[in-house]
Amino acid sequence: ENVLTQSPGTLSLSPGERATLSCRASQDVRSNLLAWYQQKPGQAPRLLIYGASSRATGIPDRFSGSGSGTDFTLTISRLEPEDFAVYSCHQYATTHTFGQGTRLEIK
Amino acid sequence: EVQLLESGGGLVQPGESLRLSCAASGFTLNNFAMSWVRQISGKRMEWVSAITAGASIAYYADSVRGRFTISSDNSKNTLYLQMNNLRADDAAIYYCAREASHPYFDYWGQGVLVTVSS
Repeated sequence: ENVLTQSPGTLSLSPGERATLSCRASQDVRSNLLAWYQQKPGQAPRLLIYGASSRATGIPDRFSGSGSGTDFTLTISRLEPEDFAVYSCHQYATTHTFGQGTRLEIK
Repeated sequence: EVQLLESGGGLVQPGESLRLSCAASGFTLNNFAMSWVRQISGKRMEWVSAITAGASIAYYADSVRGRFTISSDNSKNTLYLQMNNLRADDAAIYYCAREASHPYFDYWGQGVLVTVSS
């Protein structure tokens, strides 16, 4: 099983700041088959990024993904109030596994 | 607009059964692979089961194989998860999710809560 470890567990930032979230895999993620999702309480998870760096339909360009192999990053360039949520990474190269999530909270 | 709406959750005792439903709208279920993913409060998500487009092949996590069955009804455009012999560690929010061409999940439902307790 490819275990995904996200850091930090919680990130406290202010609107307008830049957020950098990390996802590290225990094994190489073949072909960078890694996605990022945003979760808010009571809502459906929302796909942000797939293939490590491709933005999903309708996702603002302040969201970007990068990385390869075992190290991946989600960057939110300028935080908007609606961006404060939990973010999870997901590898789909082998049996699906997910990271434990990073909570992005307002400072 | 693509929508997925889960139902059928609730409180059951260990050993009992539940059937979850996921009503799809805005697309034809038979044309897409679908999955069930669960999440214990505050924990990471766990993939549970998947069914291929056309419902020809089903896949299961080791933790549920032999107890859970995934299926679909094309006439109702609805996905199901039959859960038998439920255990305390099956308690979670269960999401249905649509798989894109590569199997990331492009649409999710809001989830349904399953509680297993005596």
